[in-house]
Amino acid sequence: QKEVEQNSGPLSVPEGAIASLNCTYSDRGSQSFFWYRQYSGKSPELIMFIYSNGDKEDGRFTAQLNKASQYVSLLIRDSQPSDSATYLCAVAYSGGGADGLTFGKGTHLIIQP
Amino acid sequence: GAVVSQHPSRVICKSGTSVKIECRSLDFQATTMFWYRQFPKQSLMLMATSNEGSKATYEQGVEKDKFLINHASLTLSTLTVTSAHPEDSSFYICSAGVLGFTSTDTQYFGPGTRLTVL
Repeated sequence: QKEVEQNSGPLSVPEGAIASLNCTYSDRGSQSFFWYRQYSGKSPELIMFIYSNGDKEDGRFTAQLNKASQYVSLLIRDSQPSDSATYLCAVAYSGGGADGLTFGKGTHLIIQP
Repeated sequence: GAVVSQHPSRVICKSGTSVKIECRSLDFQATTMFWYRQFPKQSLMLMATSNEGSKATYEQGVEKDKFLINHASLTLSTLTVTSAHPEDSSFYICSAGVLGFTSTDTQYFGPGTRLTVL
């Protein structure tokens, strides 16, 4: 049984600070890792994906992957109130385009103005 | 690019009726389409995976005779909830998988369909 674990939060971060979101997964054979943002009542929106160990940066977002520890994280720099949402970590056994995703329950992030 | 549409966005129906949900990839051809379901305050759960022209692969616990999936083309997949009951009320979201679209594999989600069965 593939499992993806996230702290449900809420995680409260002051505006302008760095928000750090964490995720662990159980299937050591997982190859693809994704972060999605979901606003209430809406469908998920892809933020980033990462396949290799290390860091991947895209604008204010940095994804970090450590396959040995089965750990994925997302850092959001210069947090804005519009970043307030639920962040979903998702994992695929192979490529994300051909494989269904296993999602965590999400972390509710609140950016305080 | 990578836009996925769903129709309808919201549907309310009586118990026992069937509901069809359409999922379209608008500006690309999707190798694979996926159907997810999300109950309130829960995460997305994969229901089934479908490839164009093939039978869908259903996740454990998902009734294939109740949730009929047709994937007629590389841009269209449909999910029909047959004989819907109140416990089927949920947020149904499709996604389209792309191989090599942006030099790697990923999938993009439609806006979702909120089904309420009375």
